[in-house]
Amino acid sequence: QVQLKESGPGLVQPSQTLSLTCTVSGFSLMDYSVHWVRQPPGKGLEWMGRMKYDGDTYYNSALKSRLSISRDTSKSQVFLKMNSLQTEDTAIYYCTRDPDNNHYFDYWGQGVMVTVSS
Amino acid sequence: DTVLTQSPALAVSPGERVTISCRASESVSTLMHWYQQKPGQQPKLLIYLASHLESGVPARFSGSGSGTDFTLTIDPVEADDTATYYCQQSWNDPYTFGAGTKLELK
Repeated sequence: QVQLKESGPGLVQPSQTLSLTCTVSGFSLMDYSVHWVRQPPGKGLEWMGRMKYDGDTYYNSALKSRLSISRDTSKSQVFLKMNSLQTEDTAIYYCTRDPDNNHYFDYWGQGVMVTVSS
Repeated sequence: DTVLTQSPALAVSPGERVTISCRASESVSTLMHWYQQKPGQQPKLLIYLASHLESGVPARFSGSGSGTDFTLTIDPVEADDTATYYCQQSWNDPYTFGAGTKLELK
């Protein structure tokens, strides 16, 4: 069955770099795009960017200067790196699957809570 | 960015019909999608491409609209539907979400 699972540090210091991994199963990264979405505590959802099935990447312009998404298809993993973290980057980070390249999300990981604090 | 405006909260009684609206600041064609999120859980896809019911989602849920005005309808509402509902557009880059409508049952 389709599964996505995020992993990474729960605590990051301000100005440091966040590195997250999304490990997927039940589908191929060469057939489906994977997106990252985040949600600050008690707030709404923000689309961050996507790794397209063909290896191209697209980013939210608000985050583009700080964000990088990559993948290792042999390990079925998608990676998120975001630098210069601030307290407002504290959020639950989700990876999601895009079922048909219309950029909605049919499967979501459980999410990983990242706190930016010294 | 395309701003999606939702009513912040609604309260209905079980068995009633409820409509949750989402208005876009510019046309998004029919690339509007709806999610349900319960506390402590990830969002769950309910409706995609404005009116298509996701597999496994009860037929009590339906969606309609095009352009700038969209509606999610739950009929009849059940106690388990207590949640926050988000709309999301994918016509304009960046893809954006509404702030969510919190549905409470009386």
